[in-house]
Amino acid sequence: AQKITQTQPGMFVQEKEAVTLDCTYDTSDPSYGLFWYKQPSSGEMIFLIYQGSYDQQNATEGRYSLNFQKARKSANLVISASQLGDSAMYFCAMRETSGSRLTFGEGTQLTVNP
Amino acid sequence: EPEVTQTPSHQVTQMGQEVILRCVPISNHLYFYWYRQILGQKVEFLVSFYNNEISEKSEIFDDQFSVERPDGSNFTLKIRSTKLEDSAMYFCASTKRGQGKMNTEAFFGQGTRLTVV
Repeated sequence: AQKITQTQPGMFVQEKEAVTLDCTYDTSDPSYGLFWYKQPSSGEMIFLIYQGSYDQQNATEGRYSLNFQKARKSANLVISASQLGDSAMYFCAMRETSGSRLTFGEGTQLTVNP
Repeated sequence: EPEVTQTPSHQVTQMGQEVILRCVPISNHLYFYWYRQILGQKVEFLVSFYNNEISEKSEIFDDQFSVERPDGSNFTLKIRSTKLEDSAMYFCASTKRGQGKMNTEAFFGQGTRLTVV
């Protein structure tokens, strides 16, 4: 069974600094995809970035990058140059090829301080 | 930009009543999902739907739940007899592709906050 673990319930960062949000996963499927979603206080789920298990390079999307370490089964999200609008809950999620569902972690509440 | 639309945004219902949550997925998407998020907890998968039938469901999705695509645009989640523990945010999502395609991001609606009293 797939499992996602986010060990940081809350993180704080100063505006303009970089922050890393941790995510580890467990799966027996050799083929899978990893996703990060942002959930602001308004409640919607916003897709940020995707990493495939066979991708050779770490994914990047603007200020977001994914530090993918397959052997360690980790997929940490790095946000560079934090902005006040980055304050939100961040969820790591995984999809295996054997299914269609996304399995989410517990989330990390990020607060960006001015 | 196309988006997933959910109605209503909030619903309050009495325990034991039936509720129907409505969703309009993105028009060219083929796979539809319902997730729920109990307040302060993680997002949990309920069910996926493709080609007018359920393709996958979780253990949460018991006989009290059903899904339907009554026409070409709407996708609904029905809870037959609501319980207090059904209180949660319910998210509809859609993807262009589904099983076997890992790199398909799910687009989520704004959610329906269901409160059972």
